[in-house]
Amino acid sequence: DAKTTQPNSMESNEEEPVHLPCNHSTISGTDYIHWYRQLPSQGPEYVIHGLTSNVNNRMASLAIAEDRKSSTLILHRATLRDAAVYYCILSGRTGANNLFFGTGTRLTVIP
Amino acid sequence: NAGVMQNPRHLVRRRGQEARLRCSPMKGHSHVYWYRQLPEEGLKFMVYLQKENIIDESGMPKERFSAEFPKEGPSILRIQQVVRGDSAAYFCASSLLQGSGGGEKLFFGSGTQLSVL
Repeated sequence: DAKTTQPNSMESNEEEPVHLPCNHSTISGTDYIHWYRQLPSQGPEYVIHGLTSNVNNRMASLAIAEDRKSSTLILHRATLRDAAVYYCILSGRTGANNLFFGTGTRLTVIP
Repeated sequence: NAGVMQNPRHLVRRRGQEARLRCSPMKGHSHVYWYRQLPEEGLKFMVYLQKENIIDESGMPKERFSAEFPKEGPSILRIQQVVRGDSAAYFCASSLLQGSGGGEKLFFGSGTQLSVL
């Protein structure tokens, strides 16, 4: 499975935008980029995913580099409820949907 | 519109006992995945099942662990003769379809925390 690299931790002030980076230099042409987050004592929650074009939904935006070797999850206004571990994951093996979770980025939101 | 339901939420077993973890996927979902999470670590894939079939068990330990997803009823992850190292959070996820090329999103349950004394 192609691997991703994320910073271990980041901090953000409440109500400010947050840019969470992810490097995936070995991504293949058919790999999707997924983001999930995990709040304390809960299961992971889907945030967003994309293939080549930037994506927006009610939770976040996903900016994908032109060469697809990196991407950035953007939370437009961080709230205390956004404090979680954010996982950047590649998925694309034919016939399989299982996702490889690394250690993710722990986001701390400062009031 | 219930999400993925896992029970029990917490399970305590003594070494050598059996642990049975249950997972009911979201309504209409026929694909189930089990993951294990050790403290301060990311989730590790264990097994992927469809109704009555194991599709990918590459993450399952070779001994003591088994999983099933019968035609009727929840998916079961069974751990025989538990040891302390089995203590972890076990998460189940479901999806509607097997995505073409990995574009399908997974819905996770709240997990079962297994503690082995």
